[in-house]
Amino acid sequence: QKEVEQNSGPLSVPEGAIASLNCTYSDRGSQSFFWYRQYSGKSPELIMFIYSNGDKEDGRFTAQLNKASQYVSLLIRDSQPSDSATYLCAVRTGTASKLTFGTGTRLQVTL
Amino acid sequence: SAVISQKPSRDICQRGTSLTIQCQVDSQVTMMFWYRQQPGQSLTLIATANQGSEATYESGFVIDKFPISRPNLTFSTLTVSNMSPEDSSIYLCSVDRGQITDTQYFGPGTRLTVL
Repeated sequence: QKEVEQNSGPLSVPEGAIASLNCTYSDRGSQSFFWYRQYSGKSPELIMFIYSNGDKEDGRFTAQLNKASQYVSLLIRDSQPSDSATYLCAVRTGTASKLTFGTGTRLQVTL
Repeated sequence: SAVISQKPSRDICQRGTSLTIQCQVDSQVTMMFWYRQQPGQSLTLIATANQGSEATYESGFVIDKFPISRPNLTFSTLTVSNMSPEDSSIYLCSVDRGQITDTQYFGPGTRLTVL
């Protein structure tokens, strides 16, 4: 079982819709969770981080964490073509600083 | 966040040669990390570089192939040694301050092609 799993996509949503990106992780000791956006040919850019169960909102982005289900998601409201990118879920476990990344979900926002 | 630069941004190298990639940060950071991202793949951690100690390598990566230096709190280098075409990849450095609530920020990456 992979430590961090994501559906590779592509996930296609129309402009203005809500995009829902999902991530599951295997280590129950994981403490912090990150979503990065990566445009083609660019390096990952931090979008959101979340540590506590529940929702965390930042503009059009909402991160949701459910530690009991070992599940973290990212919702993008009012999706724009500029949101088209690969979204990487990353997990930090314990006191180690290193992150474990999922394979990423490619999002396509269509006009 | 931190401003991170990498040199070179890209290079094309011959098989059997070595390339040293530099990572410079605009502020002092505790932790620096080196990742590899092969075409169409996600990020794989190569090693963690802490100032004043030897780098900690992940499974599948060895110091002889990927020697790392961390001479101070704002700079690190990764060398890709005795390169083969399989080393063609994007190499990324990232930083954080080593606190549990901290976030990791990435440099722009170095795109390496080995012929």
